Amino acid sequence: QQNVQQSPESLIVPEGARTSLNCTFSDSASQYFWWYRQHSGKAPKALMSIFSNGEKEEGRFTIHLNKASLHFSLHIRDSQPSDSALYLCAVDTNAYKVIFGKGTHLHVLP
Amino acid sequence: EAAVTQSPRSKVAVTGGKVTLSCHQTNNHDYMYWYRQDTGHGLRLIHYSYVADSTEKGDIPDGYKASRPSQENFSLILELASLSQTAVYFCASSERGSQNTLYFGAGTRLSVL
Repeated sequence: QQNVQQSPESLIVPEGARTSLNCTFSDSASQYFWWYRQHSGKAPKALMSIFSNGEKEEGRFTIHLNKASLHFSLHIRDSQPSDSALYLCAVDTNAYKVIFGKGTHLHVLP
Repeated sequence: EAAVTQSPRSKVAVTGGKVTLSCHQTNNHDYMYWYRQDTGHGLRLIHYSYVADSTEKGDIPDGYKASRPSQENFSLILELASLSQTAVYFCASSERGSQNTLYFGAGTRLSVL
């Protein structure tokens, strides 16, 4: 049974800071790794994904994946108040299912 | 942008009553999912479907049934609603399962009293 854990549970950073969110998973056969972002009262929306070891950058956001360590992370450069949201990591558990972590609440103070 | 529509957006139900949550997608996606969100638990998978007229159990299926009468429609049914089923419910669709992006509906806030 896939186990997905996120840390920290919540994070408060000043505007302009670099923010790092972490996700660990238990199934070494997992192939697809996602970060979703959910603003308060809204639906989750896919932010970024990575399917092979290494790093992927899109604008201010970077994902790192290390399958051997069963770990991937999301880094936000120059954090903005609009980045304040619940960040959910997600990992595939088979061809059909995706399992989510409990989320990290990020608050960016202006 | 992919479109997933849920109805109703909010509902108050009585304990022991029947509740049906509906989901409609216009994405032409094969896969549809029902997730439940509670504070401190993230998103938990209740039921999913990868073809019409077939549904599969997720991780927390007890107390829930699902129905997929067509590719576009996926319903979640609570035959005997209980207090513990108070939560926000999200429907999602994806093109080909776990390798593809999940597109979520706006959610249904269910309160069981």
